[in-house]
Amino acid sequence: AQSVSQHNHHVILSEAASLELGCNYSYGGTVNLFWYVQYPGQHLQLLLKYFSGDPLVKGIKGFEAEFIKSKFSFNLRKPSVQWSDTAEYFCAVNHGSGNTGKLIFGQGTTLQVKP
Amino acid sequence: EPEVTQTPSHQVTQMGQEVILRCVPISNHLYFYWYRQILGQKVEFLVSFYNNEISEKSEIFDDQFSVERPDGSNFTLKIRSTKLEDSAMYFCASNREGETQYFGPGTRLLVL
Repeated sequence: AQSVSQHNHHVILSEAASLELGCNYSYGGTVNLFWYVQYPGQHLQLLLKYFSGDPLVKGIKGFEAEFIKSKFSFNLRKPSVQWSDTAEYFCAVNHGSGNTGKLIFGQGTTLQVKP
Repeated sequence: EPEVTQTPSHQVTQMGQEVILRCVPISNHLYFYWYRQILGQKVEFLVSFYNNEISEKSEIFDDQFSVERPDGSNFTLKIRSTKLEDSAMYFCASNREGETQYFGPGTRLLVL
């Protein structure tokens, strides 16, 4: 069965620290990869996505992620976090072309940034 | 920017009652989804819907659940006889082929 695993459940950082959140998935075929963010009291918003092409993708608010096919990974990074990045981060995957399949989510990582 | 909307934002119901959660997907989207998130757990897929029929459903989506697109704008999730374990945040999403799934703000359902 397909699954997504996020390595960290709760991360606490100080402002300006660098961030890396791990995400691994299990599926051998063509995948589409996503990071969604959920700010307190708000709905899921797309941070970035990978469908094909350059494995290093850049998203909103200075976030980027690298798809490493050999490691089945899609880690999220940000060089310098801000207090406003405090949120829940979800890695998700679906498979096949068209992106019309179900999204499978990881369990989420709560990021707390201290001012 | 167009958004997926959901009503109500919160619903409290008694066990055994029927509930209908409503969603208005983005107008030119053709693919629709329901997901749920039990408190403290991951977001789980329930069902996908295209061309007026279910494309895929999860094990969670049993006979107590149904979906409908009653008109050109709404997409509903009905739970016929709610159970305590149905308490969760329910998210609707929509997209066009090849594009990202956009999520609504969710309906928080509490079954007492």
